[in-house]
Amino acid sequence: EDQVTQSPEALRLQEGESSSLNCSYTVSGLRGLFWYRQDPGKGPEFLFTLYSAGEEKEKERLKATLTKKESFLHITAPKPEDSATYLCAVQPITDSWGKFQFGAGTQVVVTP
Amino acid sequence: KAGVTQTPRYLIKTRGQQVTLSCSPISGHRSVSWYQQTPGQGLQFLFEYFSETQRNKGNFPGRFSGRQFSNSRSEMNVSTLELGDSALYLCASSPGRTQETQYFGPGTRLLVL
Repeated sequence: EDQVTQSPEALRLQEGESSSLNCSYTVSGLRGLFWYRQDPGKGPEFLFTLYSAGEEKEKERLKATLTKKESFLHITAPKPEDSATYLCAVQPITDSWGKFQFGAGTQVVVTP
Repeated sequence: KAGVTQTPRYLIKTRGQQVTLSCSPISGHRSVSWYQQTPGQGLQFLFEYFSETQRNKGNFPGRFSGRQFSNSRSEMNVSTLELGDSALYLCASSPGRTQETQYFGPGTRLLVL
């Protein structure tokens, strides 16, 4: 059965304290892995798409990497505005039309 | 480009009633997917529509249904509401091919009393 697990569940950081979030997945085949951030009461906001092992994407203080079994979202020198829940989703190669399987998310709080 | 829009944003219903939620995708996007988000289960896939046809369906009871119109706008309907249907309902759009990013709307918050 396809599964997506994110860790840790919650993370509290001081401003400027870099850290990494983990998304491990077990799927029969991977079409793509997607990272989103979600603020309370809002819809997920797209961050990155990764398609193959070894791929990396960067945007401001965020960097996403992908291996055959997991993805990492690195937050470098975070600011309070980076506080959000970060969601990882995979699109399996089978039964894939429009279907993303999401992890439970990592809630990040960055304090000044 | 305007983003994905959903109406209404908030809704309060009572058990046994039915509800219809609406989603307008990004211009040019032909695929619309619907998700249910709850604190206990997270984001769960409901169904996906492309060119007015349902291409995929998640593991939800038949009380949950949807449709898509020729302009790609989509509606989802929940009949005979139960307390457990209280959730944030999210719609996401994409151009419609595989391996494509989905862009989410703000969601409709449904409370069933």
